[in-house]
Amino acid sequence: EPEVTQTPSHQVTQMGQEVILRCVPISNHLYFYWYRQILGQKVEFLVSFYNNEISEKSEIFDDQFSVERPDGSNFTLKIRSTKLEDSAMYFCASSPGDKNTEAFFGQGTRLTVV
Amino acid sequence: SQKIEQNSEALNIQEGKTATLTCNYTNYSPAYLQWYRQDPGRGPVFLLLIRENEKEKRKERLKVTFDTTLKQSLFHITASQPADSATYLCAPTRTGGYNKLIFGAGTRLAVHP
Repeated sequence: EPEVTQTPSHQVTQMGQEVILRCVPISNHLYFYWYRQILGQKVEFLVSFYNNEISEKSEIFDDQFSVERPDGSNFTLKIRSTKLEDSAMYFCASSPGDKNTEAFFGQGTRLTVV
Repeated sequence: SQKIEQNSEALNIQEGKTATLTCNYTNYSPAYLQWYRQDPGRGPVFLLLIRENEKEKRKERLKVTFDTTLKQSLFHITASQPADSATYLCAPTRTGGYNKLIFGAGTRLAVHP
């Protein structure tokens, strides 16, 4: 069964460093997303990506964040200068399209900023 | 601003009983509502979607209702099993929002043998 894959599963980084989280969405899906979940809190929307551009972003997704789909398969989230409060589980998700709206989530990357 | 409320306390039930989880929303009108399951340290997994013109939807032991007047969805698991223990998330969703999901905080369900 097709699935969304994320790498790495766990990333530890120093405050101020740049990190790139990687995702391979399901191949025929059209919409791609990043969500985050701080420990013990709810899953929060960060950004949606459609037709090779950001379609919507939340207040959390400030200038420190960027997304890219560098080729036909990968979808990345970059955090330019990490802060302690960026420590969270980051989930990538993809969705087939308008008529099929359910999202398929990856297993997440646990980001720890020290 | 839009608000989504789910039972914040964990729901503990005995195996074989029916679990009922509640999702209330305010300040917006979703076109459909989705339910997801999340296990600790894992990504959410889609369970069911119900549209605003549907009153009820079923899938195996799962049943979802959607009352747009009450602004509420109920999620039922019949004949519950310990394997159903997880956190259940609801996401009332508008159209035209590139299908982004705004989740409630979730309700943790524990099914005891």
